[in-house]
Amino acid sequence: GAVVSQHPSWVICKSGTSVKIECRSLDFQATTMFWYRQFPKQSLMLMATSNEGSKATYEQGVEKDKFLINHASLTLSTLTVTSAHPEDSSFYICSARPPDSEAFFGQGTRLTVV
Amino acid sequence: SQKIEQNSEALNIQEGKTATLTCNYTNYSPAYLQWYRQDPGRGPVFLLLIRENEKEKRKERLKVTFDTTLKQSLFHITASQPADSATYLCALEGGGADGLTFGKGTHLIIQP
Repeated sequence: GAVVSQHPSWVICKSGTSVKIECRSLDFQATTMFWYRQFPKQSLMLMATSNEGSKATYEQGVEKDKFLINHASLTLSTLTVTSAHPEDSSFYICSARPPDSEAFFGQGTRLTVV
Repeated sequence: SQKIEQNSEALNIQEGKTATLTCNYTNYSPAYLQWYRQDPGRGPVFLLLIRENEKEKRKERLKVTFDTTLKQSLFHITASQPADSATYLCALEGGGADGLTFGKGTHLIIQP
């Protein structure tokens, strides 16, 4: 089946620094990828839709200048958390969907900002 | 506003019994409803998708029903096993390229 790979699986960074998370579709091309965030014991919340070759679409309440999304190719989307703060600590998950198929999710990235 | 509710945060079931999880939604007319399994520290894994014109879907020991009148889906695991212990998420989409909207999930524990 289709595979979505996310890297890194976990990262610890200092407050004020930026962190980049990669999401790759390994065996299919994805013109659209999705970024979710999940706090402990909460549901996955859609943050933004990453569109290849164009600007990402952000959900209400998500700061586009803080969560930079780049979808430069049909197999790679990146999420950069800029000037990270402890409240940004969360589990970030990407997703992509092959045509006429269910969504596949990456392994997730546990971000801890200290 | 659109809302998805999964009936309980946690559910304890004895091994071998059938586990039934509930997903209710309001202010939504989904084209599909999906169920995912999520293990701790991992991304969700797709289990089943049921379309609005389907009443029931089966896959091995899993069965999903979808009642668009009641705005409810039931997810059943028959002959449950300890390995089925995980959090199960209900997810809706309206079709097109939109992302999924998830419920909070039900943490299922199958006791030996």
